[in-house]
This record gives sequence, structure tokens and C-alpha cells, in this order.
Amino acid sequence: EDQVTQSPEALRLQEGESSSLNCSYTVSGLRGLFWYRQDPGKGPEFLFTLYSAGEEKEKERLKATLTKKESFLHITAPKPEDSATYLCAVHRGNTGKLIFGQGTTLQVKP
Amino acid sequence: DVKVTQSSRYLVKRTGEKVFLECVQDMDHENMFWYRQDPGLGLRLIYFSYDVKMKEKGDIPEGYSVSREKKERFSLILESASTNQTSMYLCASSMQEPGELFFGEGSRLTVL
Repeated sequence: EDQVTQSPEALRLQEGESSSLNCSYTVSGLRGLFWYRQDPGKGPEFLFTLYSAGEEKEKERLKATLTKKESFLHITAPKPEDSATYLCAVHRGNTGKLIFGQGTTLQVKP
Repeated sequence: DVKVTQSSRYLVKRTGEKVFLECVQDMDHENMFWYRQDPGLGLRLIYFSYDVKMKEKGDIPEGYSVSREKKERFSLILESASTNQTSMYLCASSMQEPGELFFGEGSRLTVL
């Protein structure tokens, strides 16, 4: 069965304390892995798309990487404004649908 | 910037009422989607559409229907609302498949 699992569910960091969020997946015919950021009471906002193992994308303090079984979202020297829920989603090639993970809620304290 | 606008941010309805959730996008996107988001369950796809007049079932279509009469507008319909349809509903659009989804702000529906 196609599945996306994110860990941890919640993460508390001090400002400047780097860490990583994990997204592991089992899906047939992966056509893309997506990372989104969601602020409370708002819709998700697109961050990155990764298409093949070994690919990396960066944006400010965030860096996403992809292997054949998982993706990591690395946060370097986070700031309080990075606090949000981070969602991972994979696109199944044979059905044309996205499967979302349940998200990791990140809190960065000053 | 792409904008996806959902007509109502908050709604409160009674069991058995018919509910319309409207979504409009302004970037001429072909693809539109309706998701619901619940704590512990994440985002789940209800229906999607790749073209005007076209619709396809997602993972949880039961109790819902959709309408896409114009390219920019995708409506979600609850024919007879039930309490288990209390949720956050998110509309999204994309230019291509697979592709980046642009989400609306969400409609929080409470069914009493």
C-alpha cells in the first residue's frame, strides 16, 4: 500500500539549533516528492519539488534531499519565523494523485 | 502571484443541510482539487478535475459531489451534511501534473 510517514510529529528547537525532518515513503512509480509549509489557520505553501534520488534543493535556511526511500528537510540555524507545520507529499505516477504525510509541527523558541 | 480564493473561511451548518463550498483560481490552471484536513489524518483528496466539466474521485468521495462549469471555478457540494463532515476544507490548483499545488486559505466547516 502506498504510504507517507513523517517524523517526528512535533519538534521543538532553540533558535540557531539545526535539525532535520524526515519523510519516508513507499509508493509505486514515484513522479515527485513535494514539501509544503503550513501556518496555523492557513493553506499549505509550496516549498520544494524533488524528482529523483540524489537531488537536493535549497531555500534560505531550508534544504531538501531525496533518496529512494525517504526525504529529509534540513533546517540550518532556524529562527522563530520558521515555526510551522511542514508537510511532505508524494505523487503516485499510476494514479495521478498526491499522498500527504501527517506533517511535522516545528516550534523554534527565541 | 497565483491566487486561490475560497468563498467562506468559516461556516456553521445543521445536519441534513446542503452545503456549497466555492473555489476560484485566477491563473488559468487546468487542474483543481478539493482536500479535507483533519488532525491525525492529514490531507485527504476528495475530488479533482483536470478540465472543465470533468471530475474524478479522490480517496474519500463518499458524501460529496463537485461541479466545474468554468475553468476557474471548482465547487464542492455536501448534499446532506453530517457531523463527520466537520473539517477544514482546502481547495488547490496546479498548472500541470505532477506539479506544485497552490492552496486557498481553507474553509472551516462545522456541522451541528
